[in-house]
This record gives sequence, structure tokens and C-alpha cells, in this order.
Amino acid sequence: EPEVTQTPSHQVTQMGQEVILRCVPISNHLYFYWYRQILGQKVEFLVSFYNNEISEKSEIFDDQFSVERPDGSNFTLKIRSTKLEDSAMYFCASSPLGRAFFGQGTRLTVV
Amino acid sequence: GDSVTQMEGPVTLSEEACLTINCTYTATGYPSLFWYVQYPGEGLQLLLKATKADDKGSNKGFEATYRKETTSFHLEKGSVQVSDSAVYFCALSDLDYGQNFVFGPGTRLSVLP
Repeated sequence: EPEVTQTPSHQVTQMGQEVILRCVPISNHLYFYWYRQILGQKVEFLVSFYNNEISEKSEIFDDQFSVERPDGSNFTLKIRSTKLEDSAMYFCASSPLGRAFFGQGTRLTVV
Repeated sequence: GDSVTQMEGPVTLSEEACLTINCTYTATGYPSLFWYVQYPGEGLQLLLKATKADDKGSNKGFEATYRKETTSFHLEKGSVQVSDSAVYFCALSDLDYGQNFVFGPGTRLSVLP
């Protein structure tokens, strides 16, 4: 079965630093998503991306966050000036339509 | 907005016991319904899905039926195994229109030998 790949699997960063989480969606998929899951809590939608632009974003996705598809294959989530409360598992997903495939996640720890 | 409610955990069962995890939803449209499973230390894996009323999704002995009249999608398994211990998330999405997922809070299942 095709896979969505996320790197790194675990990232530790100091508060105030910028991080970039990377995702390689499945080729020929049209929609891309980022979700996050704070430890022990529910999975929350951050942003969806279609046709090279943001199609929807949640209230969590403020100016601290940005997404890019820099080269037609990677899909990145940038978090500027990280805060302690950004510590979470971040999941990337891609979808052709009708089903979404999730990556294994990147665990971000802000210290 | 759309929302998903599922029974709070944790749920602890003995091996070979029957499992039901309740899930109900509210949606303005006609979404597809999903169960995702998260094993310890791993990401989200699709367990099963149903795209229209009365559809039954099934996988690995788990089943769930899309009940439009009761807006429910309860997850069931007749005989659980220790390896089923995980967190189970009910979710909805109208993926045919690229809509994002709305997840329930998750239910942690622990199966004891």
C-alpha cells in the first residue's frame, strides 16, 4: 500500500526556535493536510492544502504556522518561534478523494 | 460545525471479550465515517470506513455500520485480542469534496491476557 512519509520521526527544539516538519505525500494525491495531537488528547485539524494554496485552516493555525509545497513533492509545516505548548505529534495526510492516508507522525518536543 | 462524540475510555477487557465503542456524529452534509487506530508509539492507521447509510465497514474482525437515522457508527468486535490494545478514533469527513477530518477524542482500549 502507498505510504505518506514524514521526517524526522522525533524533533527536539528549544523554545523560540523555528522548526520545519517534512512530509512526502503520495504522488498524484490532490489534497494535503496537517493535524496535531497533543499527548493524550484528541487529533486536531490544522490546515488543508489544495492546488498550491491553503483551502482551509483551523483557529490553531495562526501566524506562527505556515505550509509550503516547495518542489512539487514535499509538503512542509513550518512553526516559527516555537512555544512549549507546541509539543505534540504532528501528522501529515494526503488524499486523492475518498480516503486519506496518514503518515507515521513527527513527535515535536519543545524544551 | 461538524462534530464526533465517542465513548470515553479507558476500556479494559479480557481477551476474547466482546467490544463495542460507541460513536455518534453531527454533520451538516453527508459525510463518510471512519475508524482509525493508533497503536502505542505509532501513527494513525485506517481501520475501516463507510461512505453511505447502511454500509458496513469491516477489517481485522472489527465492524461498524453507518446508521444515518441514529447518526451513529459504533465499532464492534466479537472477540478481542491483546494485540488490539490501542487508541481508537472515530472520524468523519466529506473527502469527495476534500473536506478535512473531524476526529472524536479517542478511546483507549486495553486487553488483558
